[in-house]
Amino acid sequence: ETGVTQSPTHLIKTRGQQVTLRCSSQSGHNTVSWYQQALGQGPQFIFQYYREEENGRGNFPPRFSGLQFPNYSSELNVNALELDDSALYLCASNRGGGGAQSQTQYFGPGTRLLVL
Amino acid sequence: GESVGLHLPTLSVQEGDNSIINCAYSNSASDYFIWYKQESGKGPQFIIDIRSNMDKRQGQRVTVLLNKTVKHLSLQIAATQPGDSAVYFCAETNTGNQFYFGTGTSLTVIP
Repeated sequence: ETGVTQSPTHLIKTRGQQVTLRCSSQSGHNTVSWYQQALGQGPQFIFQYYREEENGRGNFPPRFSGLQFPNYSSELNVNALELDDSALYLCASNRGGGGAQSQTQYFGPGTRLLVL
Repeated sequence: GESVGLHLPTLSVQEGDNSIINCAYSNSASDYFIWYKQESGKGPQFIIDIRSNMDKRQGQRVTVLLNKTVKHLSLQIAATQPGDSAVYFCAETNTGNQFYFGTGTSLTVIP
């Protein structure tokens, strides 16, 4: 088990609603990345936060936004939910800051989001 | 765009045999690669990693081989056990933040 935790574990929303997902990074990690994993697919990078600033973004629309807090925990917010947003949302943390092992990302268990 | 693909979507092996899972990547600038194992209902679990300045790295029962000439990565699992049954992903990066994942290979171990 990694030290990355996510909440909630499952969530059901309706189209057009907004959702906030939460992630606590592993101790000693200052970088958090969010991924979306559709059923039967590999994770797709949404964005990364390093020391409370966005540090890279994948091909996702602006209605996907995030925050990182001083304790390095993070939130993923999705506005105007669409049916295709149904997926497993994964959070990963890494040490950041350079160095041989700083890039290695460790994943949490994910939040399963269902949009009806 | 990035493309990380797998040669076989499913693989079945007998318990005790060795498993080999393959992965092709398209970005020659990628310099760091990770193999993850994902069991049903769980997040990806780190197995082993390798940097582009190496061509082989060994862990406990696992070995990763990197062939930069043909942009190919493989994961070898020795003496495969039922607990190894899962989906395996290779992931690569050239930026250090954004990892690109393949579709995954489903490994089934037959007792």
